[in-house]
Amino acid sequence: DGGITQSPKYLFRKEGQNVTLSCEQNLNHDAMYWYRQDPGQGLRLIYYSQIVNDFQKGDIAEGYSVSREKKESFPLTVTSAQKNPTAFYLCASSFLPGDYGYTFGSGTRLTVV
Amino acid sequence: QKEVEQDPGPLSVPEGAIVSLNCTYSNSAFQYFMWYRQYSRKGPELLMYTYSSGNKEDGRFTAQVDKSSKYISLFIRDSQPSDSATYLCAMSQIQGAQKLVFGQGTRLTINP
Repeated sequence: DGGITQSPKYLFRKEGQNVTLSCEQNLNHDAMYWYRQDPGQGLRLIYYSQIVNDFQKGDIAEGYSVSREKKESFPLTVTSAQKNPTAFYLCASSFLPGDYGYTFGSGTRLTVV
Repeated sequence: QKEVEQDPGPLSVPEGAIVSLNCTYSNSAFQYFMWYRQYSRKGPELLMYTYSSGNKEDGRFTAQVDKSSKYISLFIRDSQPSDSATYLCAMSQIQGAQKLVFGQGTRLTINP
């Protein structure tokens, strides 16, 4: 079955540590996105990528980094510079152009302890 | 002011009721409008997609867009307990947009 796989589902991180969230899709989608979801704030765009080896900052990119070495993969690193990293992180993908919405993964819940 | 405003609820209605969920927006350049449904601890799934103004129906769901008022709605007829979820509106200026703008989401509970 085609879809987006995010791993792990739950992640705990100590303050001061970097951590990488995995996102893999087998939908042959061109574009991939990372969103952060906090209660009462909806989804906020962190980074997005339209093609391999290219990506752009979203609205809240500070303290995050990404790479797009393969079309199927778009990992997100939450660095120690991110002041408030505890959140639900969602990866999504879509065709370009002519897309009719995103396909989302099931999310990763990151907690800083 | 946020670009997209959505009443976060929570909204609780009895089974079988008609549910109305709404979003307002400020950017008149938005042309593509979507509704996503998100179950607890899951990723959102696309429910409805509409271009420009007008209505679109899919089973028990109807999406309405009024660009003159910058207002979109999702109606759920004959609501079921399985409809209990958070509903997010989303919109963009460009088809296949890289920057979909989301509302805060409305938490809906359908009581049996």
